[in-house]
Amino acid sequence: KNQVEQSPQSLIILEGKNCTLQCNYTVSPFSNLRWYKQDTGRGPVSLTIMTFSENTKSNGRYTATLDADTKQSSLHITASQLSDSASYICVVSAYGGATNKLIFGTGTLLAVQP
Amino acid sequence: GAGVSQSPSNKVTEKGKDVELRCDPISGHTALYWYRQRLGQGLEFLIYFQGNSAPDKSGLPSDRFSAERTGESVSTLTIQRTQQEDSAVYLCASSSYLQDNEQFFGPGTRLTVL
Repeated sequence: KNQVEQSPQSLIILEGKNCTLQCNYTVSPFSNLRWYKQDTGRGPVSLTIMTFSENTKSNGRYTATLDADTKQSSLHITASQLSDSASYICVVSAYGGATNKLIFGTGTLLAVQP
Repeated sequence: GAGVSQSPSNKVTEKGKDVELRCDPISGHTALYWYRQRLGQGLEFLIYFQGNSAPDKSGLPSDRFSAERTGESVSTLTIQRTQQEDSAVYLCASSSYLQDNEQFFGPGTRLTVL
């Protein structure tokens, strides 16, 4: 069964600190992996996308890694800001014939406190 | 428009009533998706449109749910005889192969069934 699991479920950090969010997946056949940020009351917004051959990708203070062998990904946030408070969702795309199906993790809820 | 828009932003209805949710995708995006997000849970795929046809309806939870798309643009998701368990945020996304099929999400419609 295609699944995406994220940890931790929630996280509280102080402004300026770094943090790392984890994503494990059992999705086959793998197409790509995306990290989304979802602010409260908003739709998710894509942060990074990685294909099978990519190990790391950065977007400002966000750096995502992918280990396709162990089927693990991480999202590292550097020098956190209050505006980073949001839910971070790991989404894995599986090849599905004419369409690629997205499998969503349940997200990690991050709270950055002053 | 500049982004995906959805209406209404909030809908409160009584159990047993029908509701219609609307999605206006990004102009030119041929693919359109509907998702459901229950409180504290991940996104659940409902249905996918390519143009005006729906090659993947596998996520629709029951025959009370239906969706259509016209003019390769606006889509409506209809829920008949609403139940309390239908309460959730309904998110729409659109994508284009010209943008690596990245899905751009709307702000969602929060449906509350009393």
